[in-house]
Amino acid sequence: NAGVMQNPRHLVRRRGQEARLRCSPMKGHSHVYWYRQLPEEGLKFMVYLQKENIIDESGMPKERFSAEFPKEGPSILRIQQVVRGDSAAYFCASSPEGGELFFGEGSRLTVL
Amino acid sequence: AQSVSQHNHHVILSEAASLELGCNYSYGGTVNLFWYVQYPGQHLQLLLKYFSGDPLVKGIKGFEAEFIKSKFSFNLRKPSVQWSDTAEYFCAVNPVYNTDKLIFGTGTRLQVFP
Repeated sequence: NAGVMQNPRHLVRRRGQEARLRCSPMKGHSHVYWYRQLPEEGLKFMVYLQKENIIDESGMPKERFSAEFPKEGPSILRIQQVVRGDSAAYFCASSPEGGELFFGEGSRLTVL
Repeated sequence: AQSVSQHNHHVILSEAASLELGCNYSYGGTVNLFWYVQYPGQHLQLLLKYFSGDPLVKGIKGFEAEFIKSKFSFNLRKPSVQWSDTAEYFCAVNPVYNTDKLIFGTGTRLQVFP
């Protein structure tokens, strides 16, 4: 049973470009979470999704950030018009309903 | 707002020393508590968790944590650390009424020297 798969592991973008980060949950997990880790900070909750639904997006910046978890395929975290402050590690986690969270290895975004 | 405080940002120990990492949370209701570890270049892994029952929780690799409700604390301990324990340790909390949102502390970086 493969773990939570995130890709790309490293992504470099110039200011103003778009970044797309993908997360495939563990088999059988229907809940996906995205967290952001800024340098010298802990993990900050961004968004919680179930298939085709956003359950809690209270941690998402109001602009430029969006997330989806379609019926088929991975969850996508999309950042439009990236700025230097978006440089961070983005972690995805998945869980079965009400269960323990399992984390992926993270995607490190660098904005030049 | 709920928050988790880890006061030790960076801890340096020699092998065989004892370890205690502090974790305090601010939330008045019932919570679930977790410690995660992130080894260099790897993903977060669950060390141990507390949901209810015995407040002294045993985890993997010889770690344990004690939930002290009156102090809102969930400190992580290990009697004798090894070089392989070098990692970043995160305390996390979620309120029982909203188990979907895990709130993390800022992490403690542990370096163990042989």
